[in-house]
Amino acid sequence: QQQVKQSPQSLIVQKGGISIINCAYENTAFDYFPWYQQFPGKGPALLIAIRPDVSEKKEGRFTISFNKSAKQFSLHIMDSQPGDSATYFCAAIKIIGNQFYFGTGTSLTVIP
Amino acid sequence: DAGVTQSPTHLIKTRGQQVTLRCSPKSGHDTVSWYQQALGQGPQFIFQYYEEEERQRGNFPDRFSGHQFPNYSSELNVNALLLGDSALYLCASSPGLDGTGELFFGEGSRLTVL
Repeated sequence: QQQVKQSPQSLIVQKGGISIINCAYENTAFDYFPWYQQFPGKGPALLIAIRPDVSEKKEGRFTISFNKSAKQFSLHIMDSQPGDSATYFCAAIKIIGNQFYFGTGTSLTVIP
Repeated sequence: DAGVTQSPTHLIKTRGQQVTLRCSPKSGHDTVSWYQQALGQGPQFIFQYYEEEERQRGNFPDRFSGHQFPNYSSELNVNALLLGDSALYLCASSPGLDGTGELFFGEGSRLTVL
């Protein structure tokens, strides 16, 4: 059973555009929601994360929007750049025990 | 400060063989988790080690086993390899069993089973 559902599977955006990736979860016991970025041949790297008591977190061009009642969260990449082309994974975590559940990933391509 | 290091980076095995993958956690981290990432999929949790004991396990058969050493490094062993075991195996470390909600990943070991 997929604990975290992620969409879209792939995304193509023009340089300077906004990239939006969505995730949904069912288990209300999750208490931390990170996004990971993965380049080909590399392991995932933490990009940005949010706790469920916050509705939005922004770090540079990256913003997480969190809707606790809908059990959904999304990653917005503003002014998308070709260097942002990578696979993005959302995750949901139970901090006690550090149990991570990853989405299936979104392959982002930013066209120059 | 060295991050998470894994070896080997690539390896090819045949069905029925056994494989051992190795991981050294990030400095200061004592908890190691292993993940399997099939092509085009997200990482799937295999198991987690803390204080040299397996603390949690995902939905993987007993063919997958592990070990953690006193220096916090870890091994993943897979016996009786199947074609479906072909994947990128990721090691991740964190500080403490409950951690901070963050995982630091290595670059993975790419296993191909023929």
